Amino acid sequence: DAKTTQPTSMDCAEGRAANLPCNHSTISGNEYVYWYRQIHSQGPQYIIHGLKNNETNEMASLIITEDRKSSTLILPHATLRDTAVYYCIARRGGSQGNLIFGKGTKLSVKP
Amino acid sequence: DTAVSQTPKYLVTQMGNDKSIKCEQNLGHDTMYWYKQDSKKFLKIMFSYNNKELIINETVPNRFSPKSPDKAHLNLHINSLELGDSAVYFCASSRYSGTGTDTQYFGPGTRLTVL
Repeated sequence: DAKTTQPTSMDCAEGRAANLPCNHSTISGNEYVYWYRQIHSQGPQYIIHGLKNNETNEMASLIITEDRKSSTLILPHATLRDTAVYYCIARRGGSQGNLIFGKGTKLSVKP
Repeated sequence: DTAVSQTPKYLVTQMGNDKSIKCEQNLGHDTMYWYKQDSKKFLKIMFSYNNKELIINETVPNRFSPKSPDKAHLNLHINSLELGDSAVYFCASSRYSGTGTDTQYFGPGTRLTVL
């Protein structure tokens, strides 16, 4: 699975959009981009995933660049409860196995 | 109803003891995992089971032995506990899709402290 690079930490004002970038310049054609988050002391939580097209669900939007070398997770209206570590993971399609977690981005949403 | 549950939530024990952590999922998933999160917060896979069969076994000491009595349960037994085993252990489950797009659901974690 391709390596991903994320900023160590980011701040966001409550109510504003949080845009979390991820670089995956070595991603291969059959690797999906996944986002999970871990709120303090809890188990990781799935947010969203995509292959080529932009995706949106009730939690977030995922924007993947046309060359697929980077992506951005967007939380449209961040709340204090969105404070967490966000993990961007590249995962091969057809794989039956583990997620490889990096260090992630610590997002702090401030009032 | 809790989707993925683990017991106990906290476990404090002495070096050298043997302990077990239990995991149950009520999602009807066929694949279950154990992850370890150390003090530096790195989250790493330990084991993965699909339909009660071991499919992933990362470089984990053989003091760790997973057991899957049925598809809904994956327990972790640890022999001769060492100080370095202190960590938070997360269980997870997913339904294998064949496309690599299965979503993993994690339990709340078990914080193991070895004294």
